[in-house]
Amino acid sequence: QKEVEQNSGPLSVPEGAIASLNCTYSDRGSQSFFWYRQYSGKSPELIMSIYSNGDKEDGRFTAQLNKASQYVSLLIRDSQPSDSATYLCAVPLYGNNRLAFGKGNQVVVIP
Amino acid sequence: DTGVSQDPRHKITKRGQNVTFRCDPISEHNRLYWYRQTLGQGPEFLTYFQNEAQLEKSRLLSDRFSAERPKGSFSTLEIQRTEQGDSAMYLCASSSWTAGAADTQYFGPGTRLTVL
Repeated sequence: QKEVEQNSGPLSVPEGAIASLNCTYSDRGSQSFFWYRQYSGKSPELIMSIYSNGDKEDGRFTAQLNKASQYVSLLIRDSQPSDSATYLCAVPLYGNNRLAFGKGNQVVVIP
Repeated sequence: DTGVSQDPRHKITKRGQNVTFRCDPISEHNRLYWYRQTLGQGPEFLTYFQNEAQLEKSRLLSDRFSAERPKGSFSTLEIQRTEQGDSAMYLCASSSWTAGAADTQYFGPGTRLTVL
């Protein structure tokens, strides 16, 4: 199993719909989880962090964490064209401070 | 509160040349990280500092790479004898770490390196 895995290919969603992104990670002991948004040619921008099982909402974004299943997801409600970007899941693994990143999921919001 | 800054934003160099990048973290952030990102991949950890101490260096990091943070503020990353495989976006991130708390990292704009 890859350390942090984001398997889905590019995701196309109509404007106003919900985009759902998934991420699995290898370390059952991980305690903090981050979602970054990255526009083409730009650097990652932190949009969500989550530490406890369950849901965490921030505006149109909801992060969901299930530590038992080693699974974290990101929902984008009422998707806007400005949400078109690559979304990176990042987890500090095995007690390390460095972040391990997935390859990212590209989201394209179609007007 | 200004964000993380990096200089230069773009660098084109010829194979075999040395390059140096600078990162200025968010003021009073005690941790500074360097990552590298190639097209279609997530960022890959290179090294990090807590204050002026370099605490971890990736095993994948060639000895052509060296980083410093001499006064615990800005940091430099030097690549000696560049190779075409070094072409990538070099990202700096900083955090205000305290024991027992999550280490939330904020990224700078990156330096895009092209080795010809």
